[in-house]
Amino acid sequence: AQSVAQPEDQVNVAEGNPLTVKCTYSVSGNPYLFWYVQYPNRGLQFLLKYITGDNLVKGSYGFEAEFNKSQTSFHLKKPSALVSDSALYFCAVRDKTAGNTPLVFGKGTRLSVIA
Amino acid sequence: GAGVSQSPSNKVTEKGKDVELRCDPISGHTALYWYRQSLGQGLEFLIYFQGNSAPDKSGLPSDRFSAERTGGSVSTLTIQRTQQEDSAVYLCASSTQGFNEKLFFGSGTQLSVL
Repeated sequence: AQSVAQPEDQVNVAEGNPLTVKCTYSVSGNPYLFWYVQYPNRGLQFLLKYITGDNLVKGSYGFEAEFNKSQTSFHLKKPSALVSDSALYFCAVRDKTAGNTPLVFGKGTRLSVIA
Repeated sequence: GAGVSQSPSNKVTEKGKDVELRCDPISGHTALYWYRQSLGQGLEFLIYFQGNSAPDKSGLPSDRFSAERTGGSVSTLTIQRTQQEDSAVYLCASSTQGFNEKLFFGSGTQLSVL
């Protein structure tokens, strides 16, 4: 079975500081990994994904994430946070070798960027 | 349409009534998902349709929940004999075929069971 853990319900960071939102996963084989963001009163939007290749993935709005196979992690990062980054962030995983299975999401992490 | 459309956007119902939630995916998308978002519970997978394959119903919480997808396009999620614990935002998403493809989400249906 595949699963995702986001160990922090809430992350607070000052504007201009680097931010990290943590995600660890569990799959039987190799993972496809995703980050989605939900801004207030808006739908879920795709941020970035890891499929294969370079472990550092760059996405929308200056975000990036690093795939670490040994630690089974896929933490989301941004060098300098903006107040407008405040939102709910979801990590998701699908097992490449599990065939036709749905995308499984974590419980989400609420990011608050303080001016 | 340009995106995934869900209706109604809000639904208030009385305990014990049946409700139907509709999802119009992006044209040409073969995969369609239903998720439920409750406060503090994240995104809970409900059901997954992929092309002509049998749907993956493994996430449906009880036999009161069912979904169908007609003609490979529009999907309806039906909840029978609603309970207060069914109150949540129900999200629909679609994608093109391929397990590494991103999902496009609708704005959701806020269901409130009184």
